Amino acid sequence: AQSVTQLDSHVSVSEGTPVLLRCNYSSSYSPSLFWYVQHPNKGLQLLLKYTSAATLVKGINGFEAEFKKSETSFHLTKPSAHMSDAAEYFCVVSDLVNFGNEKLTFGTGTRLTIIP
Amino acid sequence: DTGVSQDPRHKITKRGQNVTFRCDPISEHNRLYWYRQTLGQGPEFLTYFQNEAQLEKSRLLSDRFSAERPKGSFSTLEIQRTEQGDSAMYLCASSSPSDSGNTIYFGEGSWLTVV
Repeated sequence: AQSVTQLDSHVSVSEGTPVLLRCNYSSSYSPSLFWYVQHPNKGLQLLLKYTSAATLVKGINGFEAEFKKSETSFHLTKPSAHMSDAAEYFCVVSDLVNFGNEKLTFGTGTRLTIIP
Repeated sequence: DTGVSQDPRHKITKRGQNVTFRCDPISEHNRLYWYRQTLGQGPEFLTYFQNEAQLEKSRLLSDRFSAERPKGSFSTLEIQRTEQGDSAMYLCASSSPSDSGNTIYFGEGSWLTVV
């Protein structure tokens, strides 16, 4: 069975400082991994995805994540936080299951707060 | 806007009433998904359609829940005899293998409050 663990339920950083959101995964096969962001009262927006190509994945809004198989980790980083980054972030693992269903399993989320 | 569209965005209903949510996927996306998200949790998979065929249902989808996608385009999710535990955000998503490698795009969700 696939699963993800987001190690921090809440992260606070000052504007202009680096962001690190941690995620560990468990999957029986070679997984696809994603980070989604959810702003208040909004749907989910895809930040980036890893699908067994380059281990360092660049996403939108300056975010990137590195796939480390040996550590079963897929941590999300950004060099300099912006106020607009305040949101809930979800680490997601996907396995192809029946009939081509790319079934997503979400972590419990990390709430990112940016301090002015 | 050519994204996934959901209606209504918010619904308050009395316990025991039936509710129906509609989802319009991105045009030409043949795969459609429903997820449920409760406060403080990540979304959980409910069901999956490929074209008009419902190919997978989660154990979370009790007998009071039914989803359809009659013409392989829009989908409806109906909850009968609502209970307070059904209060959640219901998210619809769509994808296509030919669109960014089957990237799954989500709508903004339909909030359900059962009082």
